[in-house]
Amino acid sequence: DAGVIQSPRHEVTEMGQEVTLRCKPISGHDYLFWYRQTMMRGLELLIYFNNNVPIDDSGMPEDRFSAKMPNASFSTLKIQPSEPRDSAVYFCASSRRENTGELFFGEGSRLTVL
Amino acid sequence: KQEVTQIPAALSVPEGENLVLNCSFTDSAIYNLQWFRQDPGKGLTSLLLIQSSQREQTSGRLNASLDKSSGRSTLYIAASQPGDSATYLCAVSSSNTGKLIFGQGTTLQVKP
Repeated sequence: DAGVIQSPRHEVTEMGQEVTLRCKPISGHDYLFWYRQTMMRGLELLIYFNNNVPIDDSGMPEDRFSAKMPNASFSTLKIQPSEPRDSAVYFCASSRRENTGELFFGEGSRLTVL
Repeated sequence: KQEVTQIPAALSVPEGENLVLNCSFTDSAIYNLQWFRQDPGKGLTSLLLIQSSQREQTSGRLNASLDKSSGRSTLYIAASQPGDSATYLCAVSSSNTGKLIFGQGTTLQVKP
């Protein structure tokens, strides 16, 4: 299996622009997670899906953030408009309930908002 | 609210030394605990997963223990090597969904 695939790996944008991050989970996994990692706050859970349905979005910082999972093999995290404080590494991860909940991470998308 | 703490934040040891990384959590009602490794600029790689009913897990030179009642886990690395240099993260879950709460990590440097 190719693992969790994220794109882009790096994104540099200007404040106010829309940013879309993409994720392809491992085939057969029924949970998908979006995490954000910063030096100050470490890894924070933003939102997670079960069978394409958002279950818990309490970690989404503001209305500027939105996430979708239109099918089992694709998810997006969108920031509109972006701000410098959104600069972070955004990780996507997936798991399978039958697999004792072990979590598998993508390589991350490093976002820099100028 | 579950909180996970890792001590120390950073550790530097000479090659060959055995070492222990510590993780503590405030709510003992966990489903499982995972240890991850993160190399600079990379994602997280799962090292060991311990179910709440288990006391320890081993993989090669790594051994992770879990004492749920005291809210503690340790990751033991035997005969450390320079290639072990990385940040090690501990995370706990209250269910089998994979939803994890992470510690801040311990950054390990193994000097040749």
